[in-house]
Amino acid sequence: SQKIEQNSEALNIQEGKTATLTCNYTNYSPAYLQWYRQDPGRGPVFLLLIRENEKEKRKERLKVTFDTTLKQSLFHITASQPADSATYLCALGSDYKLSFGAGTTVTVRA
Amino acid sequence: DTGVSQDPRHKITKRGQNVTFRCDPISEHNRLYWYRQTLGQGPEFLTYFQNEAQLEKSRLLSDRFSAERPKGSFSTLEIQRTEQGDSAMYLCASRPGGSYEQYFGPGTRLTVT
Repeated sequence: SQKIEQNSEALNIQEGKTATLTCNYTNYSPAYLQWYRQDPGRGPVFLLLIRENEKEKRKERLKVTFDTTLKQSLFHITASQPADSATYLCALGSDYKLSFGAGTTVTVRA
Repeated sequence: DTGVSQDPRHKITKRGQNVTFRCDPISEHNRLYWYRQTLGQGPEFLTYFQNEAQLEKSRLLSDRFSAERPKGSFSTLEIQRTEQGDSAMYLCASRPGGSYEQYFGPGTRLTVT
């Protein structure tokens, strides 16, 4: 069966450090992968998209990698700030449809 | 605010009652999605519209759930004969053609007592 797994444990990091989140999947062949941020009680907010033929994408302090051989994406937040504290969701896309992982909660300590 | 809006934001209902939720997407977006999210889980796909056509409905969605998007604008999601297991956050998202980025609304939190 299809499965998307994100870091099972919440991530607690010191301000200024880099947070690295993982997204592993099985029995999928996604055309693209997206990362979203979700704050408590709110809908997810789109952050980055990476296509199957791309290895890395960057946007400001965010970086995402996509390895279709390993079936894994890594999401990095560099120079983290307390405002980065949230749940981050990985989503695999095929044509019009997204399948989400359960998310990883990140807490950045000042 | 020209984002996706949902109404109501919260709904408490007794088991067995019917409920209806509304979603107003971003006006130029012709694709609309409904998701359900429970605590500690990611959003789970329920159904998808392109304009007024409902193109896919999740196999997980029972016959008690129905969605419409008349005239390709706002959408409604109705749950008939609610059960306690229907308690969740119901999220609506929209996107324009040619882009995969989805814009989510704030959600409707349903509690079935």
